[in-house]
Amino acid sequence: ETGVTQSPTHLIKTRGQQVTLRCSSQSGHNTVSWYQQALGQGPQFIFQYYREEENGRGNFPPRFSGLQFPNYSSELNVNALELDDSALYLCASSPYRVASTDTQYFGPGTRLTVL
Amino acid sequence: KQEVTQIPAALSVPEGENLVLNCSFTDSAIYNLQWFRQDPGKGLTSLLLIQSSQREQTSGRLNASLDKSSGRSTLYIAASQPGDSATYLCAAPPQDSYDKVIFGPGTSLSVIP
Repeated sequence: ETGVTQSPTHLIKTRGQQVTLRCSSQSGHNTVSWYQQALGQGPQFIFQYYREEENGRGNFPPRFSGLQFPNYSSELNVNALELDDSALYLCASSPYRVASTDTQYFGPGTRLTVL
Repeated sequence: KQEVTQIPAALSVPEGENLVLNCSFTDSAIYNLQWFRQDPGKGLTSLLLIQSSQREQTSGRLNASLDKSSGRSTLYIAASQPGDSATYLCAAPPQDSYDKVIFGPGTSLSVIP
């Protein structure tokens, strides 16, 4: 148990819709990272937030956006869903401002299916 | 641009065998090299972390090595057990932007009783 939780566990949406995924970080962790993991692939870094500001982003379009709140919760929002957005979405929290995986605690993930 | 590959993509072995999983990366300027385990549909569990200045790390039946000059890391699992069945991922963060982690695609391991 890492203390990082994600909701919902599974989600089904249709193409063009918008989705919000939620993550609750471990208490005291001010940094949260989000990853997209397509079936049979490794996770891909989407972005990282520190104290409610985005401080790092991977190669994802602007329709992927995030929010981080002072109570250690965060959201990943995806607009205009495409079929290729179907994946497992992982969040990870860290007590460090710029966090690599060695200081991150991963949640169990949200499985998003886009039809 | 860093690329991380893992060979083989899938592996099936009888219980008790020793096995080696391979991870290759194209840019040797890595912050560290980390091995993870992932059970189906679940999050990541860290197994071993090798700092860029280290050559290997051991934990129980697991041993990981790092050779930056050749761009390779191996994960050795001794006396495999059915409970070892999972996907094994390596991650190689770039030294100058270690938050932008690059993961390999994983090796799916099945240990047959």
